[in-house]
Formats: sequence, structure tokens, C-alpha cells
Amino acid sequence: KAGVTQTPRYLIKTRGQQVTLSCSPISGHRSVSWYQQTPGQGLQFLFEYFSETQRNKGNFPGRFSGRQFSNSRSEMNVSTLELGDSALYLCASSLGGGANTDTQYFGPGTRLTVL
Amino acid sequence: AQSVTQLDSQVPVFEEAPVELRCNYSSSVSVYLFWYVQYPNQGLQLLLKYLSGSTLVESINGFEAEFNKSQTSFHLRKPSVHISDTAEYFCAVTRFSGFQKLVFGTGTRLLVSP
Repeated sequence: KAGVTQTPRYLIKTRGQQVTLSCSPISGHRSVSWYQQTPGQGLQFLFEYFSETQRNKGNFPGRFSGRQFSNSRSEMNVSTLELGDSALYLCASSLGGGANTDTQYFGPGTRLTVL
Repeated sequence: AQSVTQLDSQVPVFEEAPVELRCNYSSSVSVYLFWYVQYPNQGLQLLLKYLSGSTLVESINGFEAEFNKSQTSFHLRKPSVHISDTAEYFCAVTRFSGFQKLVFGTGTRLLVSP
């Protein structure tokens, strides 16, 4: 079974631009979560989607948004990029049936650099 | 709210020596506990998890962790490390109920040298 895939793997943008990151979950997984990883703040939860609905949201500004499609693929968008948005963005998928015992499987991440 | 503390940011160790990576958590509700490993330029991989039952859990590559409720700890151990164990290790928790959200510690970089 293929793992979680994320595209692109690397991205360079300039301040003020917007960016869209994509995540394809493991087949059969309906929950997709996004995390931001930075050296200063570590791993922080952004949001979680299940059946095209955002179920849970972390403490990030409204510039960070996401969506999920009917095939469970998810996209994350960051508008008006700031230097501090430079990070590794990780996507994780799980079955999502509501059991917090579900294992979250992570993709390789998208490394975003904002200049 | 939950929080996770990994006091050691870096642990250097020689190959074939034992190692312990410490993890303490704080939560007002019951939690599940996880250890993830991140190799350079890769995402996170689940190493092991504690859900219930025996407080000692093991991974397929020789790591083990013990849940200690009274000390709110979930330390990770390996009796003999290999060069290939060099990576960053993250302890994480998620609460029993409500929507699943992993809360991570700041990570411990394990450096194994020959």
C-alpha cells in the first residue's frame, strides 16, 4: 500500500505570495492532519479534515487554510506569506473513524522557504 | 490542554551502548502516548505507542518504552544502539476522546558514533 505523498517536496516563495501544498493520504484513510515543523516552535498542529470537513483547528492565523476533496486528498494554502512561515509542512493520514488510538502516518513533508 | 517535555535536546552515545530518551507529559485528561522517529529529510515514522494494558511497549527494532502514570513519564530505551539509530525522536500525546490532535515534545536528537 502506498504511503502518504506530499507535493511539492521543496518550494521557494517570496514574502506576500501565496502557496498551495498538496497531500494524498493512504488509500482508505479519511482523516488528514497538517503540522508545521520549525526549529523554534517544533511540531505544531494546524488542522484536521475528515470527509471534506474541518474537524479540528490549531492556533494559527486565518492566512492558513485548507480543504479536503471527496477522494480524501487535501490541500493547504498559505496566503500573504511571511518570513516566519518558512518551515517543513507535514501531512498525516489516519483512518479517522473517531478513535484516537488510530495511528497517524506521516508524509515526507514539503519544505517551504520564504525569501 | 496537554504538553510534552523532552528535557534532552541532544544525546550523544557510542555504538552498542544503552540509551534512554526522556519524556514527561502533563494533561488534565487521560492520554495515549507515542514515540515517533524522524530521519534526515524525511517525515515522521511511528516507533511505538501506549494505548492500554501492559505499561511496557516494544518496537520491532529493539526500542522499548515504559508508561509510568504516577511520574507522568514515557521514557524510551534501547539496550544497544546502532549507527543507523541516529535520528531525531519525538514523544507525543493525544487525549482519549475528542478529535485526535498530536501534541509533540521538542524532540531529542540521538547521535550515535562508532
